Amino acid sequence: KAGVTQTPRYLIKTRGQQVTLSCSPISGHRSVSWYQQTPGQGLQFLFEYFSETQRNKGNFPGRFSGRQFSNSRSEMNVSTLELGDSALYLCASSFAGGSIYFGEGSWLTVV
Amino acid sequence: QKEVEQNSGPLSVPEGAIASLNCTYSDRGSQSFFWYRQYSGKSPELIMSIYSNGDKEDGRFTAQLNKASQYVSLLIRDSQPSDSATYLCAVSPEAGNMLTFGGGTRLMVKP
Repeated sequence: KAGVTQTPRYLIKTRGQQVTLSCSPISGHRSVSWYQQTPGQGLQFLFEYFSETQRNKGNFPGRFSGRQFSNSRSEMNVSTLELGDSALYLCASSFAGGSIYFGEGSWLTVV
Repeated sequence: QKEVEQNSGPLSVPEGAIASLNCTYSDRGSQSFFWYRQYSGKSPELIMSIYSNGDKEDGRFTAQLNKASQYVSLLIRDSQPSDSATYLCAVSPEAGNMLTFGGGTRLMVKP
C-alpha cells in the first residue's frame, strides 16, 4: 500500500515568489492535513481538509492557503514568500479520525 | 492556548534498558493521542496511537494514557541504538485531525 506522497521534495525560492506543494494521501484516506516544521517552532498545524472542505485551520497568515480535490489529493500554496517560511512542509492523511500518517515532506528554502 | 509539553532531553539509556518518555497536555477535550519517531532529516513515523485510558502494547512499545492527569507516556523495552531519535507526542481533539505536537524528546541509546 503506497504511503503519503509529497512533491516536490526539495525546492528553493526567492523572497516574494509563491510556491505550490502537492500531496497524494494514502488510498482511501479522505482527511489531509498540512504541517510546518522549523527548528525554532517545531511542528505546527496549518490546515486540514476533508471531502474538499477545510475543516480546521491553524494560526498562520492568509498567505498560506490550501485546497483539496475530489480525489482527495491536496495542494498548499504560500504566496509572497518570506525568509521565515523556510521549513519542512509535511502532509498527513488519515481515514475518518484514525491514525495519522505523514509523507516524507517538502523541504522549502527561501533565499 | 492548547499545549503539549515534553522534556527535550537528551534522554540517554544503555542498550537493552527501558526508555521512558513522558508528555503532558493542557486541552481536556483531547481524544486521540499519538507517539511519533523522527530521525534527523526525516519525517515523523507513527509508532503508537492510543484513545482510551490504560496501556496499549505493540512489540517493544507500550503507550500509557491517563486522561484525569492529562498524561501520556511511551515505554520502549530492550532499547536498541536504532531507537535513537526524537520522539514526538501529539494530541488531537475529537473532531478532525488537527495534531498539536510537543517539542519532542531526543533519545540516545548507547551500545
